Amino acid sequence: KNEVEQSPQNLTAQEGEFITINCSYSVGISALHWLQQHPGGGIVSLFMLSSGKKKHGRLIATINIQEKHSSLHITASHPRDSAVYICAVSPYMVYGGSQGNLIFGKGTKLSVKP
Amino acid sequence: DTGVSQNPRHKITKRGQNVTFRCDPISEHNRLYWYRQTLGQGPEFLTYFQNEAQLEKSRLLSDRFSAERPKGSFSTLEIQRTEQGDSAMYLCASSDRTLRNGYTFGSGTRLTVV
Repeated sequence: KNEVEQSPQNLTAQEGEFITINCSYSVGISALHWLQQHPGGGIVSLFMLSSGKKKHGRLIATINIQEKHSSLHITASHPRDSAVYICAVSPYMVYGGSQGNLIFGKGTKLSVKP
Repeated sequence: DTGVSQNPRHKITKRGQNVTFRCDPISEHNRLYWYRQTLGQGPEFLTYFQNEAQLEKSRLLSDRFSAERPKGSFSTLEIQRTEQGDSAMYLCASSDRTLRNGYTFGSGTRLTVV
């Protein structure tokens, strides 16, 4: 079982729809990241959060540390939102070690149709 | 600062050849990370540096792989005696030590071994 699981794997929506992508993880974390990857391969960091909720434009990210679960919401979706959305966690190392290692989910491929 | 820069963007090589990729991080960032992403999968951690010190290496990094960051600025990732299984997107990211602003990713180098 992967340490970071995302659902759904693929998502097709009509323009204007409200979209939710889910992420569950099984390790202790210091932070959770939502990333966006376009077909060319480059990755853009959308959010880094360790508690509560963050909002940027039409994007909202929430995290529940007790349940080890996070969601990414897109309101009023648009075709330009079409991309792969990746959840990644920074594992928390209590006794030494490092926090350099991000653990990634496999991504959710979102396609928004006009 | 133009963000994290990776060169080349694409590389096609014959099996058995050596290849070298370069990553130029954001100048203020003292941490630099290498990840590998195969088709349909999330990125996987390879190694990371803090300044010129290589602090962590994944088991994925076989002895054919070597990474350097000689002056704590740019980094190179070399793959010797390439195999078809090395075909992937190689991603570089950088951050400051506090991770306060998260990670900044480059556009990646896509390697195809024929």
